[in-house]
Amino acid sequence: DTGVSQDPRHKITKRGQNVTFRCDPISEHNRLYWYRQTLGQGPEFLTYFQNEAQLEKSRLLSDRFSAERPKGSFSTLEIQRTEQGDSAMYLCASSLIGGRTEAFFGQGTRLTVV
Amino acid sequence: AQSVTQPDIHITVSEGASLELRCNYSYGATPYLFWYVQSPGQGLQLLLKYFSGDTLVQGIKGFEAEFKRSQSSFNLRKPSVHWSDAAEYFCAVGALEGAGSYQLTFGKGTKLSVIP
Repeated sequence: DTGVSQDPRHKITKRGQNVTFRCDPISEHNRLYWYRQTLGQGPEFLTYFQNEAQLEKSRLLSDRFSAERPKGSFSTLEIQRTEQGDSAMYLCASSLIGGRTEAFFGQGTRLTVV
Repeated sequence: AQSVTQPDIHITVSEGASLELRCNYSYGATPYLFWYVQSPGQGLQLLLKYFSGDTLVQGIKGFEAEFKRSQSSFNLRKPSVHWSDAAEYFCAVGALEGAGSYQLTFGKGTKLSVIP
């Protein structure tokens, strides 16, 4: 297995456009997390899935943000009507179910809104 | 809800010197604790983890960390720093919440610079 994969690695978009990022977790992992990281800050939790169920989404930054994991495998994060403040690194991670488990991170998608 | 504090934003050490990065957490029960490292423009790599048992845990790249319940701390240490250790280090706490929900919360990170 090649680990958590994110696509694209970089995205430049104009303000007001919609963007979608994809995350492919480690194949046997049930949990999938999305984080946002701005410059000089730690990862900020956005949402997570356990299989196809989205168990926590209250931390999504606004109703412009949405995430899906339709078949419990890959996930997408969409940002509608992007704003300059959305510029950040978006990180995806996956893990097994349970407390005694570590999360493995992808390389991230760097979003720049111009 | 849990939280993580990394008091040092930036630390500079000389190559070969010892290193200690501080991490304090807030959580009502025994947490699951992690240290991750991030190189510029990259994702996070797990250095080590603590779930239970021996409070001194060994990780990759010669790092270790000690869990001290009385101080709510999980400090990261390395006896001799290499130039390649320059990166940003994040402490994280994982906790099971209600209804089976799991939260993984990160500190703001400590940037490590190494002087040759």
